[in-house]
Amino acid sequence: AQSVAQPEDQVNVAEGNPLTVKCTYSVSGNPYLFWYVQYPNRGLQFLLKYITGDNLVKGSYGFEAEFNKSQTSFHLKKPSALVSDSALYFCAVSAPSGSARQLTFGSGTQLTVLP
Amino acid sequence: DGGITQSPKYLFRKEGQNVTLSCEQNLNHDAMYWYRQDPGQGLRLIYYSQIVNDFQKGDIAEGYSVSREKKESFPLTVTSAQKNPTAFYLCASSIYNQGAAYNEQFFGPGTRLTVL
Repeated sequence: AQSVAQPEDQVNVAEGNPLTVKCTYSVSGNPYLFWYVQYPNRGLQFLLKYITGDNLVKGSYGFEAEFNKSQTSFHLKKPSALVSDSALYFCAVSAPSGSARQLTFGSGTQLTVLP
Repeated sequence: DGGITQSPKYLFRKEGQNVTLSCEQNLNHDAMYWYRQDPGQGLRLIYYSQIVNDFQKGDIAEGYSVSREKKESFPLTVTSAQKNPTAFYLCASSIYNQGAAYNEQFFGPGTRLTVL
């Protein structure tokens, strides 16, 4: 069975500072990894994904994530945080299968960027 | 949220009543999903459908039912058998290619159900 761990329920960072939201995963075979963001009372928005190739993936709104196979991690990063980045962030993992039931989500990390 | 609509945004239900949540997509996606979101628990899969007239139970299907009569529609019924239905419900859709798990899901804006 595949699983995702987001070890931090809450991350606080000052505006302008770099931010990191952590994610580790467990899956059989090659993983496909995703980051989503959710603003209050809204649906999830796709940020970026890793399928294969370059371990550093760039996504929307200046976010990027680094795939580390040896550490089974896929941490989300941004060089300079904005107050508007404050939201709930979800990491998700999937693996090749014959089913549409693909994504397993982490429990989420609440990011607060302080002005 | 583009391409997927959910209605209503807020829904109130008395105990013992069934309610149906609507989900429509115009993205021409084959696969559709229903998730339940509770604080601190992330998203839990209720039902999913890979193709019209076919659907599968997810992790927490008890007390819920779905139908998939049209490609663009995947309504969820919360029945009176669901013990704790108050939650935020999210519908999603994606391209479905058998064996290819790299297609991201697109989410609707959600429906917040409150049982009174």
